[in-house]
Amino acid sequence: IAGITQAPTSQILAAGRRMTLRCTQDMRHNAMYWYRQDLGLGLRLIHYSNTAGTTGKGEVPDGYSVSRANTDDFPLTLASAVPSQTSVYFCASSDSAGGAGDEQFFGPGTRLTVL
Amino acid sequence: GQNIDQPTEMTATEGAIVQINCTYQTSGFNGLFWYQQHAGEAPTFLSYNVLDGLEEKGRFSSFLSRSKGYSYLLLKELQMKDSASYLCAVMDSNYQLIWGAGTKLIIKP
Repeated sequence: IAGITQAPTSQILAAGRRMTLRCTQDMRHNAMYWYRQDLGLGLRLIHYSNTAGTTGKGEVPDGYSVSRANTDDFPLTLASAVPSQTSVYFCASSDSAGGAGDEQFFGPGTRLTVL
Repeated sequence: GQNIDQPTEMTATEGAIVQINCTYQTSGFNGLFWYQQHAGEAPTFLSYNVLDGLEEKGRFSSFLSRSKGYSYLLLKELQMKDSASYLCAVMDSNYQLIWGAGTKLIIKP
């Protein structure tokens, strides 16, 4: 059982390029999340999806978009990358959204550098 | 605004006990989580508190006081493998997690 996988593991990207970070889970979780983690800051929510077919904006959504065509996949797209999007990106999932106590399971992360 | 505060870094000795504090101010409260994150890895779940009091799980315990907006994570019989960052997160009224910046715990032999 893989849990959550993310691809790529790391990427160096030129500013202005488009990039999609992939996330797949095999736990049949309803809710999925994208976070970025920057040194000295807590994890910040970019976008989330409570169930397949729905998405919502988190704390820092600008410059990012997501889709949730099915239960398993939740890709994150940077339409035109900028250096401030250099970060480590974590995808996470939980059994339900709004389920108090539902722990979130995290993927291994994607380290993205935008030059 | 919403705010989670925890110390940036702590140092402790192998075999000892350490307490990592977390204070929070959030819009609503639906529980507090502690996660462990080793360098270069993903966060992993440690504990969840929604009622006041102490929850014990092996060498790790977590305490919550909702009236004080305060929690702590207690690690006993420290081992070298406990060297990691410990993240405090509060689930707000929208059932979103608000994360602290994490406490880096350094264990010395």
